[in-house]
Amino acid sequence: EIVLTQSPGTLSLSPGERATLSCRASQSVRNSYLAWYQQKPGQAPRLLIYGASTRATGIPDRFSGAGSGTDFILTISRLEPEDFAVYYCQSYADSRTFGPGTKVEIK
Amino acid sequence: EVQVLESGGGLAQPGGSLRLSCVASGLEFSSYAMSWVRQAPGKGPEWVSAITGDGGDTFSADSVKGRFTIFRDNSKKTLYLQMNSLRAEDTAVYYCAKGSAASRPYFFDSWGQGALVTVSS
Repeated sequence: EIVLTQSPGTLSLSPGERATLSCRASQSVRNSYLAWYQQKPGQAPRLLIYGASTRATGIPDRFSGAGSGTDFILTISRLEPEDFAVYYCQSYADSRTFGPGTKVEIK
Repeated sequence: EVQVLESGGGLAQPGGSLRLSCVASGLEFSSYAMSWVRQAPGKGPEWVSAITGDGGDTFSADSVKGRFTIFRDNSKKTLYLQMNSLRAEDTAVYYCAKGSAASRPYFFDSWGQGALVTVSS
């Protein structure tokens, strides 16, 4: 089973700054079947990115995903106040594993 | 607009049972796999169980295998999770999550608001 590691655990940034979140898999993720979700307190996760780089419907273009194999990146080009949340990656190739999450907090 | 709405959460004693339901709207329900994903307090999401669009195949995490059963009624656009032999470590918010396709591989593109299950004596 694929194990996902996310770094950093917490990212402290100011609105307007760029956020770069990493997700590393213990083995290659087949066909880049890697998704990213955003979760705010008291809410369900929300799909941001699938297929490593395709934005879900309604997701602003300041969110972008990249990567393949074992290394994936989620970038938020300019943080808006509503972007401060926890972000999870998930491999959906041969398992449904979630990573432990990266919290993006206001500095 | 796709919506999924869970119900049936609550307090159960260790060894007890609960059944969760999830009603979907705004979609051709049988065309999509469905899953239950749980999240313990302060933890990340954990996939629990999944079922294909036609209900023919089910899958469960090792942590719940033999105790939880996932099933669906496509005529009612409803997903269920029967939880037996509950343990304290099953305490979590349980989300109903819609898959992006009828069978694997799929990601979760719609989620319910969650149902809290608390297992305690």
